[in-house]
Amino acid sequence: GAGVSQSPSNKVTEKGKDVELRCDPISGHTALYWYRQSLGQGLEFLIYFQGNSAPDKSGLPSDRFSAERTGGSVSTLTIQRTQQEDSAVYLCASSLQSSGGPYEQYFGPGTRLTVT
Amino acid sequence: AQSVTQLGSHVSVSEGALVLLRCNYSSSVPPYLFWYVQYPNQGLQLLLKYTTGATLVKGINGFEAEFKKSETSFHLTKPSAHMSDAAEYFCAARGGTASKLTFGTGTRLQVTL
Repeated sequence: GAGVSQSPSNKVTEKGKDVELRCDPISGHTALYWYRQSLGQGLEFLIYFQGNSAPDKSGLPSDRFSAERTGGSVSTLTIQRTQQEDSAVYLCASSLQSSGGPYEQYFGPGTRLTVT
Repeated sequence: AQSVTQLGSHVSVSEGALVLLRCNYSSSVPPYLFWYVQYPNQGLQLLLKYTTGATLVKGINGFEAEFKKSETSFHLTKPSAHMSDAAEYFCAARGGTASKLTFGTGTRLQVTL
């Protein structure tokens, strides 16, 4: 079946502009995660959604970052007033559940964000 | 807090040689452990995972890893490297009740002729 998809694959934006990154998880997966991969910081957790529960936002680096998940499926990560340090690859992952078992996370190809 | 350490940011082996990528975790409770591989400009692909039970875990592409609780290690091995194994490898851990993955900093594997 189809895997996790992300769009756009590449995004170049000017400093100060807002960007939206989209993630389509695997059908039937109730848990959805966002991670950021950057040269200086490696792979960092940002946020996760599990069903109708309140999302775990503990990894968001600042209040310029937000995310939502509509209808328990598609998710959008929004970065407001982008800064050069936001340049990174943003990875989305989904899994059957988020806790209580060794559910593996399936990753999308990522969105490469470049802030100029 | 969970932490994962990968020793060696770059490892170079000859084709046909043994591959050994090291991973240690820090946790009061043995977590679930994973190895992912990332090829250039692609997402992460799961190689193998340890949950409970057998401590030697076999994965895809001939890779395997052994969970050693006494050493808090989960090293990845492959008996004979192939050129197609050149990629970046990430070790990750997740606690039993946690949700997010905690990643190591990654090891870039180079395979030479």
